[in-house]
Amino acid sequence: DAKTTQPPSMDCAEGRAANLPCNHSTISGNEYVYWYRQIHSQGPQYIIHGLKNNETNEMASLIITEDRKSSTLILPHATLRDTAVYYCIVRGGHGSGNTGKLIFGQGTTLQVKP
Amino acid sequence: DGGITQSPKYLFRKEGQNVTLSCEQNLNHDAMYWYRQDPGQGLRLIYYSQIVNDFQKGDIAEGYSVSREKKESFPLTVTSAQKNPTAFYLCASSSLQGLPGAFFGQGTRLTVV
Repeated sequence: DAKTTQPPSMDCAEGRAANLPCNHSTISGNEYVYWYRQIHSQGPQYIIHGLKNNETNEMASLIITEDRKSSTLILPHATLRDTAVYYCIVRGGHGSGNTGKLIFGQGTTLQVKP
Repeated sequence: DGGITQSPKYLFRKEGQNVTLSCEQNLNHDAMYWYRQDPGQGLRLIYYSQIVNDFQKGDIAEGYSVSREKKESFPLTVTSAQKNPTAFYLCASSSLQGLPGAFFGQGTRLTVV
């Protein structure tokens, strides 16, 4: 299972785009990149995932580099409610040589400021 | 509504007692997970299960036990052998492929006094 590296903390001004980086240099071809966020004392919430192509949904955009060794989660217009810990995870599906574990790192604490 | 439910939200136990945390999902997910989270820390994997009647140890399984007798249920027992059981416990479920992502319960905060 590939490991991920994220900065421990970031600040962002309210209304601006928040760009959260993640390095996953050991990612294998069948592993997806997932992003979750956790607001204090709640269960993590799924945000978005991708394999090769950039993805966008109502919450965020995910930009994956061509070599797939890093990605960036973009919150286009951050609000105070986006203040949370953001986790980047890589994981393959069952039967693809993946153990089935879903391993979280320390994540990035994003502080959105007024 | 489909979802994953943990109960209770808060739990207090005396030191030396075993305690079982409940996790139920109606998402028809094959895979289920238990995590522990300490203040200011990330999630650490305790146990996970990919199929009924089978489960694997995660990174911090000592002092914990699980069962997976039904697809919908994955209870976690915190035994008296767990040295520091006070923590926030999170349960999750996902499809075997992991897509589109895992769903988490709201957690159980266990305090051992």
